[in-house]
Amino acid sequence: KQEVTQIPAALSVPEGENLVLNCSFTDSAIYNLQWFRQDPGKGLTSLLLIQSSQREQTSGRLNASLDKSSGRSTLYIAASQPGDSATYLCAVPKIGFQKLVFGTGTRLLVSP
Amino acid sequence: GAVVSQHPSRVICKSGTSVKIECRSLDFQATTMFWYRQFPKQSLMLMATSNEGSKATYEQGVEKDKFLINHASLTLSTLTVTSAHPEDSSFYICSASVAQAIAFFGQGTRLTVV
Repeated sequence: KQEVTQIPAALSVPEGENLVLNCSFTDSAIYNLQWFRQDPGKGLTSLLLIQSSQREQTSGRLNASLDKSSGRSTLYIAASQPGDSATYLCAVPKIGFQKLVFGTGTRLLVSP
Repeated sequence: GAVVSQHPSRVICKSGTSVKIECRSLDFQATTMFWYRQFPKQSLMLMATSNEGSKATYEQGVEKDKFLINHASLTLSTLTVTSAHPEDSSFYICSASVAQAIAFFGQGTRLTVV
């Protein structure tokens, strides 16, 4: 059974800091890995999708890496802003399945 | 990008009544849709997988008679919470997947049962 864990569970930083959010999964037989953002009481916004054959993806100030063999992914946020405050979730589908297994999430608060 | 619309965004109902939540893929055809449930400060838990034209597949522990799922067309899936009780109060989110397991999510529905 796939289990996805995210560390830290919560993070509070001043504006401008560079951040690293961690995601680990127990079954490395994944098709891809997605990072999502969720604002309070809202749905999910897909941030980055890394295919299993890739090692990283970048979008603006966000960079996500994937190490399948060790079962880890990191989301790097450069020069954090108050607008980055949200919960960040990683999720993986098992090969052959489309349903996602979500991590426990990291609640990020960036203060001005 | 693909858009998934979920309606309503918020609903309050009385205990014992039923509530229907709609999930629509607006600009693509989704043969498979997924329903998730999220309790406060917790992650998303998959409830069921909905395939167009066939019965939904429920995850272990999810009551299929309580959470009725219908996927009548390639663009619409509905979740009906029957005989709702306060413990059913939660945030329900749908998603639709296209090729390569890319998932697009709706905005979610906040259900409060009073």
